[in-house]
Amino acid sequence: NFMLTQPHSVSESPGKTVTISCTGSSGSIASNYVQWYQQRPGSAPTTVIYEDSQRPSGVPDRFSGSIGGSSNSASLTISGLKTEDEADYYCQSYDSSHRGVFGGGTKLTVL
Amino acid sequence: EVQLLESGGGLVQPGGSLRLSCAASGFTFRNYAMNWVRQAPGKGLEWVSDINGGGGSTNYADSVKGRFTISRDNSKNTLYLQMNSLRAEDTAVYYCAKDLSRDPRGMDYWGQGTLVTVSS
Repeated sequence: NFMLTQPHSVSESPGKTVTISCTGSSGSIASNYVQWYQQRPGSAPTTVIYEDSQRPSGVPDRFSGSIGGSSNSASLTISGLKTEDEADYYCQSYDSSHRGVFGGGTKLTVL
Repeated sequence: EVQLLESGGGLVQPGGSLRLSCAASGFTFRNYAMNWVRQAPGKGLEWVSDINGGGGSTNYADSVKGRFTISRDNSKNTLYLQMNSLRAEDTAVYYCAKDLSRDPRGMDYWGQGTLVTVSS
């Protein structure tokens, strides 16, 4: 079964840049679009990146997404970190049978 | 403004049934696929099912296939999830989410969720 693997947690200081990876278990992660969702404690998820690198309106340009490289990975990069960015982040795509797949989530701590 | 409002959650015994609804507004409902995603207490997000804009194509996670049925009524702008043979492991907050296009491609808007608890 196709799986997406994310680091369990990352931490960085305010104002710095952090990158969260999302690695596909097989095939090419570029075969389907990758989305990134932010979930703050006690809240529903919101979309911060769709179609690999597109930002919904209202999401600051400090958030960026990318795909590719030899590691079969997608990445979410957040620059100029703010304390409000502290949240869980999930990547999501599809397997070869068109079923949705989520990564296990990454807890971002801004300290 | 896109709004998604889930309802129908509650406490149900193992083996029981429940139907969730998601009332949508703020967009042309029939033009977009829709999704159900769940989150067990303290766990990550799990994709459950999706349905295309016309309602003729559906997909399910292996964990719910044969027990859950997704459907939609485009005349009422409402998405449904019929859940049968419920198990303790189905306990979760269930979110409905609007898709990016008529066929499933990814989610862009989410509801606030409805809690389903399966317990005797």
